[in-house]
Amino acid sequence: QKEVEQDPGPLSVPEGAIVSLNCTYSNSAFQYFMWYRQYSRKGPELLMYTYSSGNKEDGRFTAQVDKSSKYISLFIRDSQPSDSATYLCAMSGHRDDKIIFGKGTRLHILP
Amino acid sequence: EAQVTQNPRYLITVTGKKLTVTCSQNMNHEYMSWYRQDPGLGLRQIYYSMNVEVTDKGDVPEGYKVSRKEKRNFPLILESPSPNQTSLYFCASSLSGTSGSSYNEQFFGPGTRLTVL
Repeated sequence: QKEVEQDPGPLSVPEGAIVSLNCTYSNSAFQYFMWYRQYSRKGPELLMYTYSSGNKEDGRFTAQVDKSSKYISLFIRDSQPSDSATYLCAMSGHRDDKIIFGKGTRLHILP
Repeated sequence: EAQVTQNPRYLITVTGKKLTVTCSQNMNHEYMSWYRQDPGLGLRQIYYSMNVEVTDKGDVPEGYKVSRKEKRNFPLILESPSPNQTSLYFCASSLSGTSGSSYNEQFFGPGTRLTVL
């Protein structure tokens, strides 16, 4: 089993819909859970991160971590065409600076 | 402007011809890292560096070398490139690695598209 699993998509949803993106992981030592967004022909940019368990909200974006299920989610409310990008989850252990990325999910928001 | 720069942005080379991809950051970051991104495989860490003269292997270090002689620069060296190293390469930097409950955002460069024939 790979350390981090992420469905590559593509995922197409109409504008205004709620988008749910997910990753599962196997390494219980992961403590830092990040979501990066990557537009075509660009480097990834950090969207949000969560330390340990719980939820974090930033505008239209909500990140959730369920450590008991080894499952993380990113929700996008009121999705916009400008949200069309590849979303990568990433994880790291406590005091471990090796970072493991998921394969990324390609998201298309249809106008 | 705070940024991570990479050179060259595009490179086509032949098997066995040594090459270096440069990476430089102007944010006084301690942590720097190299990744490769391949379709179906995602972003994989090659090497990372916590500070000057401190480097460590990521997930896919085979066939690559790095050095960190200065804080701002972190070159990636391919001593004898092979076609399976054809990929999109990203350099990234952050203030430090993880610290307590804080994650220091990694800033990525624009990428270097390498083709090895």
